[in-house]
Amino acid sequence: DTEVTQTPKHLVMGMTNKKSLKCEQHMGHRAMYWYKQKAKKPPELMFVYSYEKLSINESVPSRFSPECPNSSLLNLHLHALQPEDSALYLCASSYTGTPNEKLFFGSGTQLSVL
Amino acid sequence: KQEVTQIPAALSVPEGENLVLNCSFTDSAIYNLQWFRQDPGKGLTSLLLIQSSQREQTSGRLNASLDKSSGRSTLYIAASQPGDSATYLCVGGSTLGRLYFGRGTQLTVWP
Repeated sequence: DTEVTQTPKHLVMGMTNKKSLKCEQHMGHRAMYWYKQKAKKPPELMFVYSYEKLSINESVPSRFSPECPNSSLLNLHLHALQPEDSALYLCASSYTGTPNEKLFFGSGTQLSVL
Repeated sequence: KQEVTQIPAALSVPEGENLVLNCSFTDSAIYNLQWFRQDPGKGLTSLLLIQSSQREQTSGRLNASLDKSSGRSTLYIAASQPGDSATYLCVGGSTLGRLYFGRGTQLTVWP
C-alpha cells in the first residue's frame, strides 16, 4: 500500500461550523504534513508532524488545529473558518522526515467556506 | 530563501513531440530536487527524485537532470502523449518538511 488517503474529497462548510479533515497512510511513515493550495498556486506548508509530535507550525491561524493520534493518522480540525480559507488541502507523508526522502501526497480535500 | 522558477509557464504541443521543462533555483544548498505531476483538483504524484549527489534519474519516458552548480534542473519527456497533460512542478528540498515549489508548467498534449 503506497497510498495516502484523504477524506472527505469535498467539503462545504459555513463560517460557524466545526469540521475535520482526515488523512491516513499505512506505509510506516513517521512524518506527516498538511499543505494548503489555492487555485493555480503551488502548495504552502502548514504543519509537520514527526514521530507524532508537531515539529513545524508555519504561523497558521488557530482556527486550524492539527492532531496526530497515531503514526498512521493525521487530522486537521477546522473551526470558524473564513471564505479565504477555501482551498485544496493536501496531506503528505515521508519515511522519517529527513530531507532526502520522497514525499507521498494524498489527492486532497477541496474545501469551500461559505 | 530558496526561490524556484519554472519555464515555460504553459506549453501546448502535438502528440509525439519530445519536451523539455526547465527549472532554476537560487540556492545551490538543496538536498534534493523532485519533479511532481498534478492533475486539476488532485494531489501531487512524485515522478522523479534526484538526490544532491546525483546528476540524473530516469523512469520510462521521463528523464530528469540536476546541475547544482548552475542551479538548474530539466525534465525531459520523450514521445509525449495526451495522458501526459497536467501541471508539472519542480520542488527543491531543504530542511525537514521545507519544500520550495516552482509555480509549475501547465502542459497540454493534443492528439
